[in-house]
Amino acid sequence: NAGVTQTPKFRVLKTGQSMTLLCAQDMNHEYMYWYRQDPGMGLRLIHYSVGEGTTAKGEVPDGYNVSRLKKQNFLLGLESAAPSQTSVYFCASSFGSSGNTIYFGEGSWLTVV
Amino acid sequence: AQKVTQAQTEISVVEKEDVTLDCVYETRDTTYYLFWYKQPPSGELVFLIRRNSFDEQNEISGRYSWNFQKSTSSFNFTITASQVVDSAVYFCALLTGFQKLVFGTGTRLLVSP
Repeated sequence: NAGVTQTPKFRVLKTGQSMTLLCAQDMNHEYMYWYRQDPGMGLRLIHYSVGEGTTAKGEVPDGYNVSRLKKQNFLLGLESAAPSQTSVYFCASSFGSSGNTIYFGEGSWLTVV
Repeated sequence: AQKVTQAQTEISVVEKEDVTLDCVYETRDTTYYLFWYKQPPSGELVFLIRRNSFDEQNEISGRYSWNFQKSTSSFNFTITASQVVDSAVYFCALLTGFQKLVFGTGTRLLVSP
């Protein structure tokens, strides 16, 4: 009954440090996504993947990299963290055909000081 | 361009009151999908409903009901006899084309006893 699982749930980084957020889904979904949520701005798409080995840029991709080496996992990397990347990050997944419901993980709270 | 507007930033009601959350969307696509998600204080995003553009039938699920009107590009959400547990941020979202979800900025609902 896990659905979409994100780790870690909370992290504090210093400016310039790097880190990776891990997302895992057990629903055999083809598509996976990373969103960020900022106050008053709703959720914005960072990167997404339509299948193993593929990734694409979303609305706000700068400063992030992603990888999808396995179908069930989608990694979000911050190479050199900046205070502007302080946010709540949500991973999500869905089946591939258009219109399918997108299911979200519980969120990862990241603070860059 | 795709856009979702939730004009109500915050709504406060007393328990047992009915409350309607407004959602207005913009899209030129003829096929699209509308969603509502709930974000309780714990932070996760919970899927509530999905509606496609060809189905204007209103839906009721317990105390929740949704009114979809293509003529006014609206997909409003009503909670009947609100309860304290309904306190959350509610997001309306639009999905068109390639599984890209566009969110509104959310409405914070506060239900007091």
